[in-house]
Amino acid sequence: ETGVTQSPTHLIKTRGQQVTLRCSSQSGHNTVSWYQQALGQGPQFIFQYYREEENGRGNFPPRFSGLQFPNYSSELNVNALELDDSALYLCASSPTITSGSYEQYFGPGTRLTVT
Amino acid sequence: GNSVTQMEGPVTLSEEAFLTINCTYTATGYPSLFWYVQYPGEGLQLLLKATKADDKGSNKGFEATYRKETTSFHLEKGSVQVSDSAVYFCALSEWEGKLIFGQGTTLQVKP
Repeated sequence: ETGVTQSPTHLIKTRGQQVTLRCSSQSGHNTVSWYQQALGQGPQFIFQYYREEENGRGNFPPRFSGLQFPNYSSELNVNALELDDSALYLCASSPTITSGSYEQYFGPGTRLTVT
Repeated sequence: GNSVTQMEGPVTLSEEAFLTINCTYTATGYPSLFWYVQYPGEGLQLLLKATKADDKGSNKGFEATYRKETTSFHLEKGSVQVSDSAVYFCALSEWEGKLIFGQGTTLQVKP
């Protein structure tokens, strides 16, 4: 069974640029959630995708957007990068949303540094 | 809104010592509760969970009991090892897909 994978591992961008992060969900999982983890903090929920549609969103501005593809992989896009966007971005997948399990399985994360 | 509060770290213990990491929560309804562990340079791994009051989650010697009356989900282990050194996060599920995390507690175990 393949776990959640994310790419790239590390990324350095300049303020004002745009970035795309990628995630492949665990085999058999059709729901993907994205989290932002600032240094020394717990992860903060950005949004969730289910069946290629956004299914819920946290307190993040519209410049954070996402996609989910038919194979359940997902992208997180951030426009107009700000210094405070520097963080570890975590992707998590979970079994079908109706399973009632509430468990999420996390990838290793992408470390984004904005200079 | 819903929230999770963990004890401040770092927690420093000697090998084979008893571990307790306190976690309390504020929530409407009856969320599922989780403990995740994060080793240096890695993502989060699910350690254990409990889905209803009085449930006890357990895994790898760690245990936590869902206490509705005290809104707590404290993590315990009877004898820690150096390999348990990591950051531990308590979390609740606000709905199926959104986890709310505490700020994390760093555990350092010395030989």
